[in-house]
Amino acid sequence: EVQLLESGGGLVQPGGSLRLSCAASGFTFSSYAMSWVRQGPGRGLEWVSTISDNGYTTYYADSVKGRFTVSRDNFKNTLDLQVNSLRVEDTAVYYCAKGKWFFDLWGRGTLVTVSS
Amino acid sequence: EIVLTQSPGTLSLSPGERATLSCRASQSVSGSYLAWYQQKPGQAPRLLIYGAASRATGIPDRFRGSGSGTDFTLTISSLEPEDFAVYFCQQYSISRTFGQGTKVEIK
Repeated sequence: EVQLLESGGGLVQPGGSLRLSCAASGFTFSSYAMSWVRQGPGRGLEWVSTISDNGYTTYYADSVKGRFTVSRDNFKNTLDLQVNSLRVEDTAVYYCAKGKWFFDLWGRGTLVTVSS
Repeated sequence: EIVLTQSPGTLSLSPGERATLSCRASQSVSGSYLAWYQQKPGQAPRLLIYGAASRATGIPDRFRGSGSGTDFTLTISSLEPEDFAVYFCQQYSISRTFGQGTKVEIK
C-alpha cells in the first residue's frame, strides 16, 4: 500500500527541539522529492521544507530557515525534520508529503505543540 | 510571496448542486502552476487538480479546474455526499503558498 506515516510529535517548551520522522512505503522513495507541510490550529496550510530526491538540495520557508533541518535516508525510505528553537507559533500538525512543487500523497500528520 | 485569496469562505449547497470555488492570486501564477486539494475533518489533504486543470489520479471527472493568470476556479459539477469538505488552492509558481480554504457544507 502506498502510504506515508509520520511520528515524533509531542509537547515541547518554547526553545525546545524535536525530531519528526516519516516512513514511506509502496513507491520508489528515492525517485521523488519530499516535503513537509504544516497546519496550525484552525489555520490553513503552510509549506515548511522540501528535499530533493537524492537529498543534496533542500529548501525552507523563511519562517523556519535556520531552525529546521530536513534530511532523508533512501535506504531506509525515511524522511526526517529536525525542529529546533521551537516557538509557540510552530504549533501545528506536521504532514509529510510526496512531491517538490505540489503534493500527491500525504501522511496523516504528527502534532507538535509548543507551550510552556 | 504570492498570496492566494479563496472565496467564498463557506459555500452552503445541497447534494446534486453545482459548486464553484474561486482562488485569486496577488500576482500572476506563471505556467498555471496551481493545485487544488480537498481536506475532510481529521484527514490529510488529498490532491485533486494540478497544473490548474489536470485531474490527479483517481479523481472523478465531476471535479474540474480552470483559470490562468490570477484567477482560478474549481468546479464540482454535481455534489456527492462525500464532497462536503474544505478545499484549498496552492500555487507553485514562486515557492509554494496555500489559500485559506473554502468550506463546502451541506445546506
